[in-house]
Amino acid sequence: GDSVTQMEGPVTLSEEAFLTINCTYTATGYPSLFWYVQYPGEGLQLLLKATKADDKGSNKGFEATYRKETTSFHLEKGSVQVSDSAVYFCALRVSGGSYIPTFGRGTSLIVHP
Amino acid sequence: SQTIHQWPATLVQPVGSPLSLECTVEGTSNPNLYWYRQAAGRGLQLLFYSVGIGQISSEVPQNLSASRPQDRQFILSSKKLLLSDSGFYLCAWSEDGEQYFGPGTRLTVT
Repeated sequence: GDSVTQMEGPVTLSEEAFLTINCTYTATGYPSLFWYVQYPGEGLQLLLKATKADDKGSNKGFEATYRKETTSFHLEKGSVQVSDSAVYFCALRVSGGSYIPTFGRGTSLIVHP
Repeated sequence: SQTIHQWPATLVQPVGSPLSLECTVEGTSNPNLYWYRQAAGRGLQLLFYSVGIGQISSEVPQNLSASRPQDRQFILSSKKLLLSDSGFYLCAWSEDGEQYFGPGTRLTVT
């Protein structure tokens, strides 16, 4: 079956540090890949997505590149802010597959001033 | 634009009491709808999903049930709550593989 593996958290950084959150996947078909962000006490929001190999999704300074050869979709940001503190979820959905997306377990990011 | 509503926002219920959580979506028709639960410090657990009125698929056998009485309404219910039902309940709809989540309901069973 499909699966998503994210690095264990929490990830703790100082403001303006570089962020990488690793995400790798296995999929039975050709997946679209997503990153969602969940701020404390809120629902998840779509952060960015990529639908085919070598696509780069970007939003709010975050980026992730769809790497089919390494089955990865790592999230990066060059300079994090305290307001980026949240839980980040990597997810996939196989085109033409079931209606159910596959989510990773989430990685908590804590940014200190 | 599409919006998704959930209520109540927070709920404290005693063990053995019934539960009804409601989710409605505006601005789209015939959406795929989902109920998820997050236990404290845990990831997302898919509970139910629906591809149309009256069509409910259960992912996890438990004392919860779901219904979809109208196209854009999704209800999560229980006849008797357990302590283990405590958590953060999220409703979502999907389009083009993307999921759009509601603000959630924080349920505490005491």
